[in-house]
Amino acid sequence: EIVLTQSPATLSLSPGERATLSCRASQSVSSHLAWYQHKPGQAPRLLIYDASDRASGIPARFSGSGSGTHFTLTISSLEPEDFAVYYCQQRSSWWTFGQGTKVEVK
Amino acid sequence: QVHLQESGPGLVKPSGTLSLTCAVSGGSISTSNWWTWVRQPPGKRLEWIGEIFHKGNTNYNPSLEGRVTISVDTSKNQFSLKLNSVTAADTAVYYCAREWGTFFDPWGQGTLVTVSS
Repeated sequence: EIVLTQSPATLSLSPGERATLSCRASQSVSSHLAWYQHKPGQAPRLLIYDASDRASGIPARFSGSGSGTHFTLTISSLEPEDFAVYYCQQRSSWWTFGQGTKVEVK
Repeated sequence: QVHLQESGPGLVKPSGTLSLTCAVSGGSISTSNWWTWVRQPPGKRLEWIGEIFHKGNTNYNPSLEGRVTISVDTSKNQFSLKLNSVTAADTAVYYCAREWGTFFDPWGQGTLVTVSS
């Protein structure tokens, strides 16, 4: 099983600031990594797939990078609606998720 | 636009069977996509449960294999989850989603299932 480790656990930032979230895989996942945004009581929302491809309707302030074992999700300038929990996901033999990074208002 | 909605009992007794259904609307379940179940216990990370293709092919998380069954009803455009011999550790929000090979999109809103007597 490939383990995904996200850091930091919590990111305290103000609107307008840049957010940088990390996801590390215990083995290479090539570029097959996705990022999701999750708010309480809502369905998780796909942001990025295949490490750097933005999903349909996702604002350009969200970007993804990386390959192999180290990946980054960047939110260039936080909007009020971006404060949420973010998860990374991969599939090798089966699907696994990171433990999440909570982006909270400072 | 495809929409997924989970439904089922919110409370299940220990040792009982958890049963949930995911209704797919806005599109057919009989496509090239697989359909999947994911859960999130309180305070824990998301855990993949298993997946199904409209022809009935399934794959399960090895940690749950033996207790889980996923089935599909193409006539009703829905798929279902059964988890046997549940314990408090199976208390979670359960989600269904459509797979695209390397990601899930869209997801259902999720339904909380509590295992308690």
